[in-house]
Amino acid sequence: GESVGLHLPTLSVQEGDNSIINCAYSNSASDYFIWYKQESGKGPQFIIDIRSNMDKRQGQRVTVLLNKTVKHLSLQIAATQPGDSAVYFCAETTQGGSEKLVFGKGTKLTVNP
Amino acid sequence: EAEVAQSPRYKITEKSQAVAFWCDPISGHATLYWYRQILGQGPELLVQFQDESVVDDSQLPKDRFSAERLKGVDSTLKIQPAELGDSAMYLCASSARLTVPPNGYTFGSGTRLTVV
Repeated sequence: GESVGLHLPTLSVQEGDNSIINCAYSNSASDYFIWYKQESGKGPQFIIDIRSNMDKRQGQRVTVLLNKTVKHLSLQIAATQPGDSAVYFCAETTQGGSEKLVFGKGTKLTVNP
Repeated sequence: EAEVAQSPRYKITEKSQAVAFWCDPISGHATLYWYRQILGQGPELLVQFQDESVVDDSQLPKDRFSAERLKGVDSTLKIQPAELGDSAMYLCASSARLTVPPNGYTFGSGTRLTVV
């Protein structure tokens, strides 16, 4: 079946650098996307979302980019901090369709001090 | 801030034994989800409730897994008998509505199950 996947399983950056985490999705009907952060031993926490009628959305230190042409999402974290170390998941859904959140496999971000 | 409560946090059980997990969603949230997260992977939906009714259990291995939400509030997920491959994090999430709300679902901290 269709699924959401990530390009890189791990990413290691230096504190203060910018991080970019990528996600490919294959369900062309998906119209709502969420990035979650999961710290060790905890459940996923919402970071930022984007709807398919947008191609960019910014939050505090985070930006999500959506390229519907190539079915690609990215999460950019500015000035990465040690507290950003976690596993990041993208999730997709089709509003008005199955309405279930489908998660990708995740990227582990490690921030080195 | 309202939270989804789950217990226990950790559970070690021998294969072929029965195990149960409990979830208390955010007050007033009618929709409750159980997800399974195998180490190194993303969460996968097992079952979705709307109040006390099952909306979707198509991915629930019904030969050994069962889930209930008798009064439409808290929920229990049971595995009997447990198998080695059931070792995973079991996450509960809730939502105020059946459709995916803004900001997605609220997840609990999960129950880490190890089957030995």
